[in-house]
Amino acid sequence: NAGVTQTPKFRVLKTGQSMTLLCAQDMNHEYMYWYRQDPGMGLRLIHYSVGEGTTAKGEVPDGYNVSRLKKQNFLLGLESAAPSQTSVYFCASSWSQDLSYEQYFGPGTRLTVT
Amino acid sequence: GNSVTQMEGPVTLSEEAFLTINCTYTATGYPSLFWYVQYPGEGLQLLLKATKADDKGSNKGFEATYRKETTSFHLEKGSVQVSDSAVYFCALSDRPSGTYKYIFGTGTRLKVLA
Repeated sequence: NAGVTQTPKFRVLKTGQSMTLLCAQDMNHEYMYWYRQDPGMGLRLIHYSVGEGTTAKGEVPDGYNVSRLKKQNFLLGLESAAPSQTSVYFCASSWSQDLSYEQYFGPGTRLTVT
Repeated sequence: GNSVTQMEGPVTLSEEAFLTINCTYTATGYPSLFWYVQYPGEGLQLLLKATKADDKGSNKGFEATYRKETTSFHLEKGSVQVSDSAVYFCALSDRPSGTYKYIFGTGTRLKVLA
């Protein structure tokens, strides 16, 4: 099993450009999450999904959109990138039947917006 | 709302020293508690977890006990190694909301010197 994978690993954007980050998991997990990690702030939830075709806002959703068209994929979009979105982005997934609610994380995408 | 407070870092120790990283939480109900570790340039890996009061999670020589009376989940290791140098995150699962979201602490960087 590959677990949770993220594409790309690194990206540099200019202000105003758009991009999509892809998260894929092969564990048949129902729940998927997008976080951003910034120095001194830990991880903050951007959006999450509890199943195919459903998404919901997290703590810091502004400037991002998401889609979950297939159970195994969760896409994070930036329509018009801003320097404040420079961060490391992590995707995670979890299984609804795991009563410990453990999340499995991808390796991250480092995004720089100039 | 729910929250997690971790001790500020960085923490610098000599090899074989005793490690404690403090974590306290505020939550309604009975959350699950987690410690994740992030090695340089990598994603988060689960280190240990506890799902109910008085549970002790342990892994790789690390331990943490779920203390409901003090709302704490402090991470300890009796003898640290250089390879333990990483950032450690305390987290709780936002179970009462039914969405299984995590709330993370800000992370504590540990540096172990040979």
